[in-house]
Amino acid sequence: GNSVTQMEGPVTLSEEAFLTINCTYTATGYPSLFWYVQYPGEGLQLLLKATKADDKGSNKGFEATYRKETTSFHLEKGSVQVSDSAVYFCALSDSGGYNKLIFGAGTRLAVHP
Amino acid sequence: GAGVSQSPSNKVTEKGKDVELRCDPISGHTALYWYRQSLGQGLEFLIYFQGNSAPDKSGLPSDRFSAERTGGSVSTLTIQRTQQEDSAVYLCASSLVRGADQPQHFGDGTRLSIL
Repeated sequence: GNSVTQMEGPVTLSEEAFLTINCTYTATGYPSLFWYVQYPGEGLQLLLKATKADDKGSNKGFEATYRKETTSFHLEKGSVQVSDSAVYFCALSDSGGYNKLIFGAGTRLAVHP
Repeated sequence: GAGVSQSPSNKVTEKGKDVELRCDPISGHTALYWYRQSLGQGLEFLIYFQGNSAPDKSGLPSDRFSAERTGGSVSTLTIQRTQQEDSAVYLCASSLVRGADQPQHFGDGTRLSIL
């Protein structure tokens, strides 16, 4: 079945450090891939998406590239801020599965000044 | 507001009681999803509605769980004879149309605590 695996957290960084959160997936079809973010005390928000191989999703300085050959969708940001502290979820949606989202376990990011 | 609205935001109830959770999706969104977020299980899909089609109930954990969507808009998730393992945050999401590439927009959730 379809699944998503994320690197375990927490990830602790200093402000302006480079961020990578690894995400790999297993899917039988051609899924769309998403990163969602959950800030403290808030609901899940879409951060970025990519719908086909080699697509790059980007938003708020974050980027992720859909790599079919390595079944990966790693999240990166060149210079993190304290306000980026949140839990990040990688997810896939497969049309064969009625488009329900399958989430990774989430990675907590803490950025210190 | 224009977002997905869920109520109540918090619910505390005794084991064995029934609870109803409500979701009001974004106006015009035809697809509606329920998920559950718990410490042990992460984010899990529960049920999916698309227009007037039969719902996908494949994620419901037991027959104590049911959901309906009236008039293609508001949805209610009902849990009968609640158990302590039902304690979780229940999230509702909607998307404009059905499609694997369509982003889902989430409400703030209902935090359910079973005593």
